[in-house]
Formats: sequence, structure tokens, C-alpha cells
Amino acid sequence: GQNIDQPTEMTATEGAIVQINCTYQTSGFNGLFWYQQHAGEAPTFLSYNVLDGLEEKGRFSSFLSRSKGYSYLLLKELQMKDSASYLCAGMDSNYQLIWGAGTKLIIKP
Amino acid sequence: IAGITQAPTSQILAAGRRMTLRCTQDMRHNAMYWYRQDLGLGLRLIHYSNTAGTTGKGEVPDGYSVSRANTDDFPLTLASAVPSQTSVYFCASSVGLADNTGELFFGEGSRLTVL
Repeated sequence: GQNIDQPTEMTATEGAIVQINCTYQTSGFNGLFWYQQHAGEAPTFLSYNVLDGLEEKGRFSSFLSRSKGYSYLLLKELQMKDSASYLCAGMDSNYQLIWGAGTKLIIKP
Repeated sequence: IAGITQAPTSQILAAGRRMTLRCTQDMRHNAMYWYRQDLGLGLRLIHYSNTAGTTGKGEVPDGYSVSRANTDDFPLTLASAVPSQTSVYFCASSVGLADNTGELFFGEGSRLTVL
């Protein structure tokens, strides 16, 4: 079956670094995506990885290892506005996204 | 401002009633989707459309129907609402179903409560 696993909740301190892990099992693979969702709002696209390695985009980076079925989202210089849920999603062979339940990130001053 | 508009934002509905959630996009995207989001679960795909005139079933299609008469509109209908359909519904679009950037643009959501 298809499955996305990520931690339910994480807590970090303002200014610090946090890594949110995601493991995936999909029928075929066409990429791994991260979305950010603030409470009561719509998800917004953060990153896309289809090849192994690290993709950096400002304070956010995303890593993929296809052989391990593993990805992480790295957030640096945390700000209070980064408090949100982070959704991991894998794209299967039919180009459909399989979503994890999301990781709620709590930032403390 | 370009984007996706959903209506209504929130609705309380009696069980057995018919309800249509509206979704309109002005980005000329080919693909559109309806998801439901429930606490503790990932987004689950209800129905999708690759292009105007075509629709497909997602992971949880039962009790829901969609139509895609044109590029911009993708309404979701609950023929006879049941309490298990209480959820937040998100409409989304992308350039194409097989768009390899995978970027979905979401509406602001419709919170539906079925009593």
C-alpha cells in the first residue's frame, strides 16, 4: 500500500534549526513535496524533490533519498511565523499526491 | 487577484440534504481537485479533473459527485449529506495533472458540518 509517515508534532526555539522527517511508500515515484499550512488556512507549496540530494530555498531546504524512501525539510533561523503544519506528499506513478497527516511545528520564544 | 475561490466558507447542513460546494479558478489551469482534510489524517482526494469535460475518482469518492463543464469551474456535490462528511474541503488546481513541479494552488477551504 501507499503510505507517508511524519511526526505528529515538534517543538523548537525561535532562531534555532529544526528538521522534519518524512518516510514514504508509493506505487511508483514522481517526486516528493512539502507544503506549509497555517492553522485555518490553505496549504501552500514549499518544495519539490525528484532527484537525490538537497534543494535549498532561502531559510528552507529539502532533502531526498530515493533508495531509503526518505525526505526531510530543514528550517533555519526559525521565526514565530514558521509555526504551522508541514505536509509531506509523495507523487505516485499516476501523478496523484499521497499526503502525510502533517507535522505541527510549535515555535517557542 | 488570480487564484481559486471557494464558496461557501462555512456551512452547517442537516443530514439528508443536498449541498454543492463551488470552486472557481482564474489561472487557466487544466487540472482541478477536491480534497477533504480531517484531523489526524492527510489530505484525501475525492475527485479530480485532468481537463474540462473529464473527471476521475480519487481515494474517497463515495457520496460525492463532480462536473467540469468548463476550465474555470469544478463544483462538488453531496447528494444526501451524512455526518461522516463533516470535514474541511479544499479545492485545488495545477497547470496539468502530470505537471512535474507538483505545485497545487489551494482555495481557502469550505468547512462543512453535517448534523
